[in-house]
Amino acid sequence: DQQVKQNSPSLSVQEGRISILNCDYTNSMFDYFLWYKKYPAEGPTFLISISSIKDKNEDGRFTVFLNKSAKHLSLHIVPSQPGDSAVYFCAASALGKTSYDKVIFGPGTSLSVIP
Amino acid sequence: NAGVTQTPKFRVLKTGQSMTLLCAQDMNHEYMYWYRQDPGMGLRLIHYSVGEGTTAKGEVPDGYNVSRLKKQNFLLGLESAAPSQTSVYFCASSRAGGSYNEQFFGPGTRLTVL
Repeated sequence: DQQVKQNSPSLSVQEGRISILNCDYTNSMFDYFLWYKKYPAEGPTFLISISSIKDKNEDGRFTVFLNKSAKHLSLHIVPSQPGDSAVYFCAASALGKTSYDKVIFGPGTSLSVIP
Repeated sequence: NAGVTQTPKFRVLKTGQSMTLLCAQDMNHEYMYWYRQDPGMGLRLIHYSVGEGTTAKGEVPDGYNVSRLKKQNFLLGLESAAPSQTSVYFCASSRAGGSYNEQFFGPGTRLTVL
């Protein structure tokens, strides 16, 4: 059973509009969340993250919102640009006492920004 | 800096054949990882290493072996390839193991097992 879910496999948005990518998780122990972006034929690259002590984190055009009670987070891209067209992976981890905090990735959402 | 590189980029194997995927990083990172990506499944951790000479199992380790003889290299081996191992394989590295430590990914290896 997937612990991190991205229920929309794909999303199309007009250039200049807002893109909203959603992510749900099931494990209440997760307390750190990340978004990675992936272009074709490249590896994923880190985009933005948020700790569970916050409900919002902003970096330029990208904002991540966290609703812990709903076990839901979303990535907002405003305004959307054609270069944002990529696959976006939501990921979650539990800050633990061991040396490695396992990161669980969702299946990804493919965003297409139409010029 | 090349970052994280993977060799080869593509490979086709027959069932039962063996192969080794090579990952190299030039960022002096302690942690290295091997993931596989399958449609609708996201990235799943196969094995990881917390430093030179160490390896540990991830979520889906069966059918794979790894070695980290040098800090900059992490090898993934398939001793007897099966069609279920058809996937895209990504190597990643990070400075340390905590969640705050960004993972840097290689470009991937697309493996097809016939």
